Amino acid sequence: DADVTQTPRNRITKTGKRIMLECSQTKGHDRMYWYRQDPGLGLQLIYYSFDVKDINKGEISDGYSVSRQAQAKFSLSLESAIPNQTALYFCATSATPGTSGGLSSYNEQFFGPGTRLTVL
Amino acid sequence: AQRVTQPEKLLSVFKGAPVELKCNYSYSGSPELFWYVQYSRQRLQLLLRHISRESIKGFTADLNKGETSFHLKKPFAQEEDSAMYYCALSGSGGSNYKLTFGKGTLLTVNP
Repeated sequence: DADVTQTPRNRITKTGKRIMLECSQTKGHDRMYWYRQDPGLGLQLIYYSFDVKDINKGEISDGYSVSRQAQAKFSLSLESAIPNQTALYFCATSATPGTSGGLSSYNEQFFGPGTRLTVL
Repeated sequence: AQRVTQPEKLLSVFKGAPVELKCNYSYSGSPELFWYVQYSRQRLQLLLRHISRESIKGFTADLNKGETSFHLKKPFAQEEDSAMYYCALSGSGGSNYKLTFGKGTLLTVNP
């Protein structure tokens, strides 16, 4: 089955370390997203990419960077991790509306299983 | 700017009771509204979307443009409905296609 996968699933690191979270998808979708989930704050968009050459900041991009290496891969980096970046991180994908993978006005996002990151 | 408000962080009901999870939104154009659900230890998944006007697992949601609401309802809650529910909004055109999520409501259905 087409899927969205994330590695690692769990990571514990120390303040100041550089961390990369990876997301891969076999859904053939053009659009990919990174979110963080914190209790009581819901899901907040960090970065999103509508195709390989398109990268956009979301609501909370400070302290994060991304790389879209291919249509199927979208990585999130924390250049110098800090404790308040401890959270659950989700990658998601969606088809471009109007393409074969998506209806004309329909934007369902498919989520990965999440990466639990702890920064000590 | 687009915004989604879920006023209840927690909602607890008994099995068989009706349940309504509230969602209000702010968007100047024509929005698309969704409900996503996250069961314990599972990934977030789409529950239903207003454009389809469907009922999934007994849940329905009607878009009320006058009240800018998209409340999720189920007449008889089941224990397996216990989960975190997120209301989400997508605008139309260009970068507005990205989703904006509410903060979520944790539903607990007690036996």
